[in-house]
Order: sequence, then C-alpha cells, then structure tokens
Amino acid sequence: GQQVMQIPQYQHVQEGEDFTTYCNSSTTLSNIQWYKQRPGGHPVFLIQLVKSGEVKKQKRLTFQFGEAKKNSSLHITATQTTDVGTYFCAQGGTSGTYKYIFGTGTRLKVLA
Amino acid sequence: DGGITQSPKYLFRKEGQNVTLSCEQNLNHDAMYWYRQDPGQGLRLIYYSQIVNDFQKGDIAEGYSVSREKKESFPLTVTSAQKNPTAFYLCASSTTENTEAFFGQGTRLTVV
Repeated sequence: GQQVMQIPQYQHVQEGEDFTTYCNSSTTLSNIQWYKQRPGGHPVFLIQLVKSGEVKKQKRLTFQFGEAKKNSSLHITATQTTDVGTYFCAQGGTSGTYKYIFGTGTRLKVLA
Repeated sequence: DGGITQSPKYLFRKEGQNVTLSCEQNLNHDAMYWYRQDPGQGLRLIYYSQIVNDFQKGDIAEGYSVSREKKESFPLTVTSAQKNPTAFYLCASSTTENTEAFFGQGTRLTVV
C-alpha cells in the first residue's frame, strides 16, 4: 500500500544536541501530521501542517512542510531526555477517505 | 472524561483461537481505525470505519474482521487465519480525515 518514508530509522544523540527527522512521499500530500510515541505508549498528536512551505513551532520543536508538499521535517533543538520516543509523520485522508497513512517512524534515543 | 479505551491491555491466546479486541470511544467521533505495530516498526492500517455499519479494508486486513454496529464501538477480531498475530494493536478515532487521530492505550496480543 501507499507508504510515507521517514529517515533516519534510528537516531542516538547526546543530550543538548539537535535532532531532525525527515518524512518523504512520492505523491503530493494534502496535509501532514506529526505524532510522538513514548516507549511502551501510544501515539500522541503533535501538530498538523496544511499549507505549502508552512513552518510551525512548539517550544523546541520546529515543523516544516515542503514547498511541493511532498516532504516534511521535524527539528528538535537542544534535545532533552524527555524527547525520547518514536516520531511518526502521517498523511491524513483525502477526498472523503478517512485513511491516515503513517510513516515508518524515527526512534530517538537521548543519552544523558 | 472523554477518550478512547482499549481492553484488555495484555492478552494471551493459544494458536488457532479467535480473539476479539475491544475499542470504545466517547468522543462522538465518526471515524475509527485499527492499526498493527510490530517491534521497532511503524503503524500499519488493518481496517477503518467512517460511519456506523460501514468499514473498509486497510493495507493488512487478511486474517482480521471488524464490525461497527454502534458509533462508539469498533471491535477487532483476530482470526486463526492470521499467520502471525502477535503484535501491538492500536485503535484510533477522529472526527474527519483532516483532524488529529486520538489513540487508545493499545492491546499487546501474544499468541503461543
């Protein structure tokens, strides 16, 4: 089925370092959502981007939607141990089809 | 308290047995979803439902069945035809395809 690819698959960083995960699609995305899943937990919604070139910030997190709406990125500045988890991007449904397609995820480990 | 509830949290079954996972939401959401997550993997869509008495197959529907008799409930049956049923199962709901998905706590199914 349709898939949204994320890179890298894993990332280990030292606490205080920055982290970026990238989400890529071969088709144009109507919107992109980002979720965080803590170890042993369930995905929790972070943000949604809709417009081409859109940039949104949440404290140390910066989310960007590409100009062509085929890619997106999540950047965390000065990581903390609380940032540990897996970050997923997801494409929301289109044309009345309620079908979220999730990316493969990037697992972040932060070393204290 | 509004939310989406999955039960049980852990489930053990013998090979060859059918098992039903419960998912209930009191968010008044129209759409509900079932995802499967394997260790270190992303979320794969099993089934989704946009409205009562209607549901659609996702990417990995073989060996699973669902029903949507009530807006609040979307149970998933893992049948004996599912070749590798051991996994973490996540239920989610949303109002429309362009809004955030709310996830339950998940059910970890182990088939021995």
